[in-house]
Amino acid sequence: GAVVSQHPSRVICKSGTSVKIECRSLDFQATTMFWYRQFPKQSLMLMATSNEGSKATYEQGVEKDKFLINHASLTLSTLTVTSAHPEDSSFYICSAQGLAGGISQETQYFGPGTRLLVL
Amino acid sequence: TQLLEQSPQFLSIQEGENLTVYCNSSSVFSSLQWYRQEPGEGPVLLVTVVTGGEVKKLKRLTFQFGDARKDSSLHITAAQPGDTGLYLCARAGAGSYQLTFGKGTKLSVIP
Repeated sequence: GAVVSQHPSRVICKSGTSVKIECRSLDFQATTMFWYRQFPKQSLMLMATSNEGSKATYEQGVEKDKFLINHASLTLSTLTVTSAHPEDSSFYICSAQGLAGGISQETQYFGPGTRLLVL
Repeated sequence: TQLLEQSPQFLSIQEGENLTVYCNSSSVFSSLQWYRQEPGEGPVLLVTVVTGGEVKKLKRLTFQFGDARKDSSLHITAAQPGDTGLYLCARAGAGSYQLTFGKGTKLSVIP
């Protein structure tokens, strides 16, 4: 149990376009989802926290108008990188927290990540 | 900002050797988690330690939480090439489920 998927796994886009990344909890309901960003050889940096049905809370320095987060259901959150630029190229990882049989409410279950390359 | 310092940053060892990596902070943790991340994948939770002085074992991995709950260590016995990866420690914020990660230790086990 506690599987989180992300789609796509890799995406290449042109500068100025928008890219949507999906994060799904496959076998549990995720009351909270987190979005992280990881640059090469660096650790995960939290970008934002989203709770189902409410606006996301962004970390300091993360532009909410550039990184649009929607958590419309208990199994799906999306991150849209708007008007992407080469400096947005990174590894984006989501995690989900929730309640289900055998699932710890405090544990974050991570997706496999999405590699974004902006040309 | 309550930083987590991990050391060493990089470690390359031969198969069969033992190793220890460390996670330290100037402040007390309520709990600490260890993750392992392989290239191009998300981190996978290995263990959560909660009690000062706690020791947990996961096969060849031994996790220890310092008595003062400010530090933790991960010891791997007889490392295997499959142990290769980025080892991250993380702590939750006070009253929050948000995680703050250390920079990680990149381990390479050479056959």
